[in-house]
Amino acid sequence: EIVMTQSPATLSVSPGERATLSCRASQSVSSNLTWYQQKPGQAPRLLIYDASTRATGIPARFSGSGSGTEFTLTISSLQSEDFAVYYCHQYNKWPWTFGQGTKVEIK
Amino acid sequence: EVQLVESGGGLVQPGGSLRLSCEASGFTFSNYWMSWVRQAPGKGLEWVANVKQDGGDNYYVDSVKGRFTISRDNAKNELYLQMNSLRAEDTAVYYCARVERGIYEYWGQGVLVTVSS
Repeated sequence: EIVMTQSPATLSVSPGERATLSCRASQSVSSNLTWYQQKPGQAPRLLIYDASTRATGIPARFSGSGSGTEFTLTISSLQSEDFAVYYCHQYNKWPWTFGQGTKVEIK
Repeated sequence: EVQLVESGGGLVQPGGSLRLSCEASGFTFSNYWMSWVRQAPGKGLEWVANVKQDGGDNYYVDSVKGRFTISRDNAKNELYLQMNSLRAEDTAVYYCARVERGIYEYWGQGVLVTVSS
């Protein structure tokens, strides 16, 4: 099983600042990686797929990069609605696996 | 508009059974793989099972193999998860999701399953 490790567990950021979230895979997942945003009481929302492609309707302040084992989600200027938990997910090899999540909270 | 609506959750005793349903609308259901993904209280996301478009291929996370069965009825646009021999660690919100190349673009609102005596 591919283990996905996200860091940090919690990121404290002020509105308007940049947030950088990391996701590391225990073996290469090529570019078969997605990022999801989840707010309390809601289903996850697709942000980024294929490591760097924004999903439909996702603002340009969200960007993804990386391939192989190292990936990054960057939120260029945090808005109030961006405070949430973010998960990475690999779909390169069965079983598909998620990271444990990074909580982005207001500083 | 794509919609996925889960039902069938509730409280069940350890060792009991429950059947979840997911009603799909707004897309051609038979064209897509479908998944169940769960989230234990206060925890992260865990993929549970996948079913191919025609129901012929199924995949499960090891922890539910032999206990859970994913199935679908393309005529009714419905996805199912039959859960038997339930354990406390199966307590979670269960989401159905539409899959395309491993990407979960659409999710249901989730249904809570609580396994407790």
